Amino acid sequence: SQQGEEDPQALSIQEGENATMNCSYKTSINNLQWYRQNSGRGLVHLILIRSNEREKHSGRLRVTLDTSKKSSSLLITASRAADTASYFCATGSSGGSYIPTFGRGTSLIVHP
Amino acid sequence: GAGVSQSPRYKVAKRGQDVALRCDPISGHVSLFWYQQALGQGPEFLTYFQNEAQLDKSGLPSDRFFAERPEGSVSTLKIQRTQQEDSAVYLCASSLSPTALGRRSSYNEQFFGPGTRLTVL
Repeated sequence: SQQGEEDPQALSIQEGENATMNCSYKTSINNLQWYRQNSGRGLVHLILIRSNEREKHSGRLRVTLDTSKKSSSLLITASRAADTASYFCATGSSGGSYIPTFGRGTSLIVHP
Repeated sequence: GAGVSQSPRYKVAKRGQDVALRCDPISGHVSLFWYQQALGQGPEFLTYFQNEAQLDKSGLPSDRFFAERPEGSVSTLKIQRTQQEDSAVYLCASSLSPTALGRRSSYNEQFFGPGTRLTVL
């Protein structure tokens, strides 16, 4: 079963624009990660944010976490055609072992 | 250094055939995970190894699925009597440290392989 739900399911933007993807989850978490998956490739870990953090930056990526609303957002600034990929959030449960639970993903297309 | 590799990259099987999917984790990585990713979905956990010990197989969908990691490095996921609903991408991931099952644990980054796309006709 999927824990996180990404929104929107698909996003199409022009190069240079910002892309925002959202993730909502159901249960209490220890941390939340965002991954990128290019077509035909495995997942690449982008960024992790812990439950006691509210915002984190990594290069052109900005992640926020609102545990009261059980939601997170991933912002990619100044998007590039190479950012075209599917983006997944994955949650680590606060109740036990760390087996990440992935959402269905957002498919991002950045047009050059 | 080499990342996680998986073979074959693509496998077509007739319904009822047995298949074996291989994962070569990053050398020295203790933890190894298998995931199943259906079309348009996120990866779903199948099973977890710490060295050669299979500590969690709660995600295996049926007893037709079997995984092993006999020497604590290479792992094989075997699916017996394949069915059409087994069609998916099977992802393997490894991480350096053990995952502390059953208690709060800090995150250990997982490195994913490219996956094996299995199509069952």
